[in-house]
Amino acid sequence: EVQLLESGGGLVQPGGSLRLSCAASGISFSSYWMSWVRQVPGKGLQWVANMNQNGGEKYYVDSVKGRFTISRDNAKESLYLQMNSLRVEDTALYYCVREAHSSFDYWGQGTLVTVSS
Amino acid sequence: EIVMTQSPATLSVSPGERAILSCRASQSVSSNLAWYQQKPGQAPRLLIYGASTRAAGTPARFSGSGSGTEFTLTISSLQSEDFAVYYCQQYKNWPPMYTFGQGTKLEIK
Repeated sequence: EVQLLESGGGLVQPGGSLRLSCAASGISFSSYWMSWVRQVPGKGLQWVANMNQNGGEKYYVDSVKGRFTISRDNAKESLYLQMNSLRVEDTALYYCVREAHSSFDYWGQGTLVTVSS
Repeated sequence: EIVMTQSPATLSVSPGERAILSCRASQSVSSNLAWYQQKPGQAPRLLIYGASTRAAGTPARFSGSGSGTEFTLTISSLQSEDFAVYYCQQYKNWPPMYTFGQGTKLEIK
């Protein structure tokens, strides 16, 4: 069964940090690029970051460069997003997604990050 | 940055009728275009990739067309379960970047 299970979201003050985790199963995790995509509740979707199969390539949307770091552990079939210097505008539901055919074919249910004082 | 513009923002259609949703890119994305369906409280679901290839499990009533900057998602005969928000998404090779349209809400007329 395919499963992407995110965790680590929560309420944090501006300037704070959070580490999101995604536990994958049933998706041949080590064979695919993986991404984080976020969505402000009730709003649209924004790609945040991705990385290749061995972690040698990582890319970020401009608004998070220098603040967020994506990583993965293929042995644990897990994806991570370290988020530092969080801003109010980072408030969103964060999805862990698998990339295939220049699109996102498997999605988790998301973990909510709220940045507020 | 490539900007994706979807139209209309809201589309009201009766069940059984055809719906046509549009997506325009600010510059050519070749056929690197995908469509997603999102229902309330759920994650998006991939419908179409490569502009016209149906993803696994996508019903045949969904079809995608277009290339370059103009794309269309057509739902041939709307079923009750099709009323949702639809997003288009493009992929740019270098630097690697994905961007989404703002969405079209398909509602029951």
